[in-house]
This record gives sequence, structure tokens and C-alpha cells, in this order.
Amino acid sequence: GAGVSQSPSNKVTEKGKDVELRCDPISGHTALYWYRQSLGQGLEFLIYFQGNSAPDKSGLPSDRFSAERTGGSVSTLTIQRTQQEDSAVYLCASSTGLLRLDNEQFFGPGTRLTVL
Amino acid sequence: DQQVKQNSPSLSVQEGRISILNCDYTNSMFDYFLWYKKYPAEGPTFLISISSIKDKNEDGRFTVFLNKSAKHLSLHIVPSQPGDSAVYFCAAGGSGTYKYIFGTGTRLKVLA
Repeated sequence: GAGVSQSPSNKVTEKGKDVELRCDPISGHTALYWYRQSLGQGLEFLIYFQGNSAPDKSGLPSDRFSAERTGGSVSTLTIQRTQQEDSAVYLCASSTGLLRLDNEQFFGPGTRLTVL
Repeated sequence: DQQVKQNSPSLSVQEGRISILNCDYTNSMFDYFLWYKKYPAEGPTFLISISSIKDKNEDGRFTVFLNKSAKHLSLHIVPSQPGDSAVYFCAAGGSGTYKYIFGTGTRLKVLA
């Protein structure tokens, strides 16, 4: 497929465990974004990658959250010592670069994380 | 402090009628705006956008209106169809930046 893919689609974990969420962007897209959507909330920006570097990590809620991107492609969002408030849908998006009206972000289907 | 607000969490409209979804923003530096549509278990998909140099952009049944002085935009869908039932997010950003600020979404239900 040519779209953004994310895995797993669903993840149920116990409080205190670590989780890894994966995003495969559209081939050739240099920009990659992670968002999360908690119940009743909008899309909350977490982190942005341009290539393999993350110029903006300002949205990461705590130091339990980290993300990396390798080879300018796949990205992994890691949440350590998960808490119940981490339960949300985590969305990944990619784009060709700077945001312009004709340069949209393409979203993956998301990973629904449930922390028990 | 929410910079982009969608104050109506849900909206129901009869098929064939007009759907109007509203969005307000607070940051005067925003100069482009987008609407995304999201079906359950899918990621948001881009619907329509507008630059601050315009006050209207139309694409088929979808029209976005921008009122800069009121810091308000709206999405009109006419005629509404059952397949339009989804959650609609508005988003805003500044040109040359990389980050959209999203609203909380409005769930539209079009009744057959």
C-alpha cells in the first residue's frame, strides 16, 4: 500500500509496562508527525521529525515518552512505565516537507493504546 | 489554552440539507486553515483548506468560509449525504511552519 501504516492497531498493556508504537510513512516523505487523541480531545501534537532529527519535541507529555526515526523512514514512539492517562489513539502522519496548503499531511489509521 | 476551538461536539442534519460546522481560533498569526474528516478506525483525511488571503474556497459540495476579523471559519456541506457522517476536525497553522493546531472535532450525523 502507498499510505501511512501503523502497528499495532490495538495495544492493551498493564500499568507500568513499556510499549512501542511503530509508524511507516509514505515513501519519500521527509516530515513525520506523531499526535495523540484522548477521549473527547482533539489531536494533540507530540513530536515532529524532519528526516531523522526531531526539531520539535515540545508536545511530548513527559520524559516517559520518546521517539526516534531511522533511515529517514520508520519511526517508533516509546512510552515507558505506562500510566492509565496514556490511554489514547496515537496517530502518525507524514508529509513532503514544509506545510503549505497544497502539501497536506497524510495520516495513518492510528494505534489504540489501552493501559489497564 | 486551546488555540483552535470547535464548540459543537456533535451535529445531526437531514440528508439533502446543509451542514454547517464551525471553528474559532485565537492566534492571529495563523494564516492557513484546513478541515479533516475522520471515519471510525481510520486516520483523518484532508478535506479542504483555505489561505488567509481568501474568504471562501469551494470544492464540490464542500465550501469553507473564513472571517479573519472574527477569527472564525466554517465548513458548509450541501447537500449533505449519509456518507458524510464522520468527525470533522479543523486545523490551523502559520505559513512556513510545520505544525497544525487541531480542534477537538465535531461529530456529524447525516440522517437518511
